[in-house]
Amino acid sequence: GPKVLQIPSHQIIDMGQMVTLNCDPVSNHLYFYWYKQILGQQMEFLVNFYNGKVMEKSKLFKDQFSVERPDGSYFTLKIQPTALEDSAVYFCASSDRDRNTLYFGEGSRLIVV
Amino acid sequence: TQTVSQSDAHVTVFEGDSVELRCNYSYGGSIYLSWYIQHHGRGLQFLLKYYSGNPVVQGVNGFKAEFSKSDSSFHLRKASVHWSDSAVYFCAVRSPNTNKVVFGTGTRLQVLP
Repeated sequence: GPKVLQIPSHQIIDMGQMVTLNCDPVSNHLYFYWYKQILGQQMEFLVNFYNGKVMEKSKLFKDQFSVERPDGSYFTLKIQPTALEDSAVYFCASSDRDRNTLYFGEGSRLIVV
Repeated sequence: TQTVSQSDAHVTVFEGDSVELRCNYSYGGSIYLSWYIQHHGRGLQFLLKYYSGNPVVQGVNGFKAEFSKSDSSFHLRKASVHWSDSAVYFCAVRSPNTNKVVFGTGTRLQVLP
């Protein structure tokens, strides 16, 4: 089936440093999402992105977070600066016009020390 | 605001048993409902969805779900589970006026041999 690729799969970073998580969504998909999951628990919505713009974001999407997809390349989540509570697995997802069927990547595990 | 709840954090059954995973939602109007499966250490995979029409929807691998407006429910069922069905199952909702898919807290299904 369609694949969403996430790079890196794991990253350990010092608190206060910047991190960029990369997502290669399914080709021709229009909507892009980031979710945060801690310890295999609930999938927490962070943000969705369409037509070059953030459409919706949650309270978890702090000012230190930003997303972009320059020139149709990777859809990225940047955290600057990182905090200890940012440690989690971040999942990227994409969808076509059917926004009820999301395709997820395998996640990027971020550990902030 | 749409919300979704999964009352069972863990469900344990034996291989060959039937299983029902419960999902209840709250929202005043029409709503999109879906189920996803997450195997350990992996991303979420779409199972099935409902918006209108036949309240019983068939998904992959023998899963089906039934929508009930009176009970505000969308329970997932399988007649005969296999050990490979062991995973976390997430119910999700989206209202038509948003792009945000909101996930429940998940139910961990353990299938014993």
